[in-house]
Amino acid sequence: SQTIHQWPATLVQPVGSPLSLECTVEGTSNPNLYWYRQAAGRGLQLLFYSVGIGQISSEVPQNLSASRPQDRQFILSSKKLLLSDSGFYLCAWSVIGDGYGYTFGSGTRLTVV
Amino acid sequence: GESVGLHLPTLSVQEGDNSIINCAYSNSASDYFIWYKQESGKGPQFIIDIRSNMDKRQGQRVTVLLNKTVKHLSLQIAATQPGDSAVYFCAETGGFKTIFGAGTRLFVKA
Repeated sequence: SQTIHQWPATLVQPVGSPLSLECTVEGTSNPNLYWYRQAAGRGLQLLFYSVGIGQISSEVPQNLSASRPQDRQFILSSKKLLLSDSGFYLCAWSVIGDGYGYTFGSGTRLTVV
Repeated sequence: GESVGLHLPTLSVQEGDNSIINCAYSNSASDYFIWYKQESGKGPQFIIDIRSNMDKRQGQRVTVLLNKTVKHLSLQIAATQPGDSAVYFCAETGGFKTIFGAGTRLFVKA
């Protein structure tokens, strides 16, 4: 069965520190991968998506970057965190042709202090 | 486009009543629609989907209605229970990209 793992679950980081959030998918090949951010009480904002290894598309200009070093691994990074980077980060995957439905990870709550 | 930066509308219902959550989608070319449920501190979970060649689909206690004429999608929850309290998102897909609605927070009063 397909599963998606996202870690850590919570993270408190000081302003100016680096960030690395990791997401891995099991049980599927060549998935489309996504990073979303959700501010408290608000909707989902698409940050990055990837249709293959090394392919990253950015939806909004920001202080973050993404990488896909392996088919089923998606990493969200920052060199220097800002207070405005705080939020709930969600990784998701989908497979075109499988109804386009997304499967989301459990999320990472990031607080920048 | 995606509804970022908007505070979520809320719906409060009595336990046992039926809930109706509405969503207006933006792209008339969208051919696949999904409802997700997000509980506090968790990622969204798939509830039910519908393709554009249908106008109604039923699941267990949930029904999705699609009105393509007015680009409207609704989720009906029968006999709402406390465990249904969550944020509900609609999503539309027309090709590669999926667009999520702003979400609606459902409160169930005991």
